Amino acid sequence: QKEVEQDPGPLSVPEGAIVSLNCTYSNSAFQYFMWYRQYSRKGPELLMYTYSSGNKEDGRFTAQVDKSSKYISLFIRDSQPSDSATYLCAMNYGGATNKLIFGTGTLLAVQP
Amino acid sequence: ETGVTQSPTHLIKTRGQQVTLRCSSQSGHNTVSWYQQALGQGPQFIFQYYREEENGRGNFPPRFSGLQFPNYSSELNVNALELDDSALYLCASNTRTGSDEQYFGPGTRLTVT
Repeated sequence: QKEVEQDPGPLSVPEGAIVSLNCTYSNSAFQYFMWYRQYSRKGPELLMYTYSSGNKEDGRFTAQVDKSSKYISLFIRDSQPSDSATYLCAMNYGGATNKLIFGTGTLLAVQP
Repeated sequence: ETGVTQSPTHLIKTRGQQVTLRCSSQSGHNTVSWYQQALGQGPQFIFQYYREEENGRGNFPPRFSGLQFPNYSSELNVNALELDDSALYLCASNTRTGSDEQYFGPGTRLTVT
């Protein structure tokens, strides 16, 4: 079993839709949770960074962490064609080596 | 503020050869991590460098090695290349705490034939 599970998609939605992306994880020791956006053949771009359970909002993006269920989500409101990319969830334990453990990524396509 | 840069952008090598990839960290960052991303997969942690020393390593064989220089730039060296080493190699930098966000460079795409 992988430490972090993520549905690879692809997920196709019409422009303006609300998108929900999710990851589950198995290790309760994870402390920090991130969402990265990766365009084709580019490096991942940090979108959201959260610690502990709860919600964090930044513009059209909301990150949600539920530690009791080991479940994290990213919501994108009013989705745009420019949001079409692969979305990677990542998490780490904190501590001396903050290596990131990634999901496989979900490919999102927003249709105009 | 300068972001993370990597060179070269892409390269093609033959099985058995050796390769060196380079990374310049974002200004103000003193820790560099390297990741390997195979097609259709999430990045996998190779190792991390802090103050010119390895500070954690993932499940990669010893033929993957690295260096960090006094200016915090870094190199990833891979010896005896195998076909499965074909991937996007990503460098990320951050400041030295356990929680700081990691910022990635554009990656180097390595093809081994």
